[in-house]
Amino acid sequence: EAQVTQNPRYLITVTGKKLTVTCSQNMNHEYMSWYRQDPGLGLRQIYYSMNVEVTDKGDVPEGYKVSRKEKRNFPLILESPSPNQTSLYFCASSPHGADTEAFFGQGTRLTVV
Amino acid sequence: RKEVEQDPGPFNVPEGATVAFNCTYSNSASQSFFWYRQDCRKEPKLLMSVYSSGNEDGRFTAQLNRASQYISLLIRDSKLSDSATYLCVVNYNFNKFYFGSGTKLNVKP
Repeated sequence: EAQVTQNPRYLITVTGKKLTVTCSQNMNHEYMSWYRQDPGLGLRQIYYSMNVEVTDKGDVPEGYKVSRKEKRNFPLILESPSPNQTSLYFCASSPHGADTEAFFGQGTRLTVV
Repeated sequence: RKEVEQDPGPFNVPEGATVAFNCTYSNSASQSFFWYRQDCRKEPKLLMSVYSSGNEDGRFTAQLNRASQYISLLIRDSKLSDSATYLCVVNYNFNKFYFGSGTKLNVKP
């Protein structure tokens, strides 16, 4: 089954404790991206990747890191999480870029206390 | 100014009603347009792409007005299962999707 898989689905952590949210897609898509969704603000792009070893900042990259060592994986790293990073996070992939359908993971609900 | 703006609603309509949402975008160079559906904080899923000539998929019709820079979604014969948040999505530089904040629809029996 074609899908984007995120883990974990739910996470509660403490301020400053490094964490990684994994994202994997099995559709051989070149484009992957991370979003956060907050009430009233919609989805805001954190980082995106056009292909392996090619990553770039989105609209709200501060406090986040990503890597794209393999085509299928695009982990999101929070080196020192803070409470303002409490949010719902989505990973998405598209075949070639942001001009075709995006397939989303099921989301990760992160709470930083 | 936001790249993509939508009326947050909620739109409360009875079953069988016709309802329409509009979405405006700020960049005249926008190239690709989509409507996504999102259920109760689940992942967004593509409802339909929006083409210049307009397009229809069953009870759903999408229109694009480039001159006024808006897209619309019309839902006919609303079903209870149509209750969701509808996200307008625009692209103009191949690198990024721009999402509206969503319009919430409640279809009531």
